[in-house]
Amino acid sequence: NAGVTQTPKFQVLKTGQSMTLQCAQDMNHEYMSWYRQDPGMGLRLIHYSVGAGITDQGEVPNGYNVSRSTTEDFPLRLLSAAPSQTSVYFCASSYDSSGLGEQYFGPGTRLTVT
Amino acid sequence: KNQVEQSPQSLIILEGKNCTLQCNYTVSPFSNLRWYKQDTGRGPVSLTIMTFSENTKSNGRYTATLDADTKQSSLHITASQLSDSASYICVVSAGGSYIPTFGRGTSLIVHP
Repeated sequence: NAGVTQTPKFQVLKTGQSMTLQCAQDMNHEYMSWYRQDPGMGLRLIHYSVGAGITDQGEVPNGYNVSRSTTEDFPLRLLSAAPSQTSVYFCASSYDSSGLGEQYFGPGTRLTVT
Repeated sequence: KNQVEQSPQSLIILEGKNCTLQCNYTVSPFSNLRWYKQDTGRGPVSLTIMTFSENTKSNGRYTATLDADTKQSSLHITASQLSDSASYICVVSAGGSYIPTFGRGTSLIVHP
């Protein structure tokens, strides 16, 4: 199993550009989520999904969109990038659809918005 | 507001020594508490998960304790190794919520 994979590893965007961060898992997990990690702060939940076709907002959803058309994939879209979105983004999945079980994290995408 | 506070913020120890990291939380109603290890440049990796009824849980040289009455948890690392150098993150989930509360982490450096 590859586990949770994320692409790209690094990305630089200009303000106003859009892009999609990719996340895939091969463990047949129902629960998937996106976090951002900023210096000096704990990870914060952006969006999550409890199964294909179901998504919901987390703690900091503004400026981000998600969709879950398959169990395996959970892409995160930045519609119009802003410098405040410079961060490290982690995708995670869990076998427990409640989100309370052990979560498996991807390697992260480091995004810089100039 | 749900909060998770970790201490110390950073810690330096010598290889072979033991150490204890602290986590205090105000999350309610409590569902579970997780400890993660995050190496530099990598995603967090789960160490332990504890529910309300569990006081202690071990994973190799890592032992987590939970006191649900005082809302405190600790992570004890025995006979530290250089590979233990990482950030250790405490995460608490509330019942009925899909949004966990993360602590800011304790940065541990193990020197030879």
